[in-house]
Amino acid sequence: EIVLTQSPGSLSLSPGERVTLSCRASQSVSSRYLAWYQQKPGQAPRLLIYDASSRATGIPDRFSGSGSGTDFTLIISRLEPEDFAVYYCQQYGFSPYTFGQGTKLEI
Amino acid sequence: EVQLVESGGGLVQPGRSLRLSCTASGFSFDDFSMSWVRQAPGKGLEWVGFIRDKAYAETTEYAASVKGRFTISRDDSKSIAYLQMNSLKTEDTGVYYCSRRRRSGYIDYWGQGTLVTVSS
Repeated sequence: EIVLTQSPGSLSLSPGERVTLSCRASQSVSSRYLAWYQQKPGQAPRLLIYDASSRATGIPDRFSGSGSGTDFTLIISRLEPEDFAVYYCQQYGFSPYTFGQGTKLEI
Repeated sequence: EVQLVESGGGLVQPGRSLRLSCTASGFSFDDFSMSWVRQAPGKGLEWVGFIRDKAYAETTEYAASVKGRFTISRDDSKSIAYLQMNSLKTEDTGVYYCSRRRRSGYIDYWGQGTLVTVSS
């Protein structure tokens, strides 16, 4: 099983700041098969990034993803108030298709 | 518009069974794999399993924590995916999300979830 470790666990920031979230895999993720999801309280997750760097439909360009192998990054270039949420990475290269434990962005 | 609506959640005693349904609309259901993901109260996301579409013989995969107890099936004529949960344990408590899985494996749409509480 591939274990995904996200860092930091939580982060306190202000609107307008730039943030970098990390997702590290215990072994190489096949074909950059890594996605990022955003979840707000009481809501279902929402797809942000797939295949490590492709933005999902309707996702603003302030969100970007990068990485390969075992190290992946989600960058939010300028935080908006609606971006404060929990962010999860997921690998879908090898079953079981594991999630990271999440990073909580707080104001 | 893609919509996924889960139903069937509720309170159930340990050792009993429950079946969740996921009714899909807004897309060609029979062309997509369907996944289930759960979230224990205050915890992160846990992949439960998925079922491929007919082109891939509707084969299934499961997380080790539910394999042998949970079964995913689908009825393409009704655009419904099911999660049959048997021998439920208290640690199965959580919100269960139905989701649409793209061919390469990522999830692009999620339902709003249904709460399952396993307690005596």
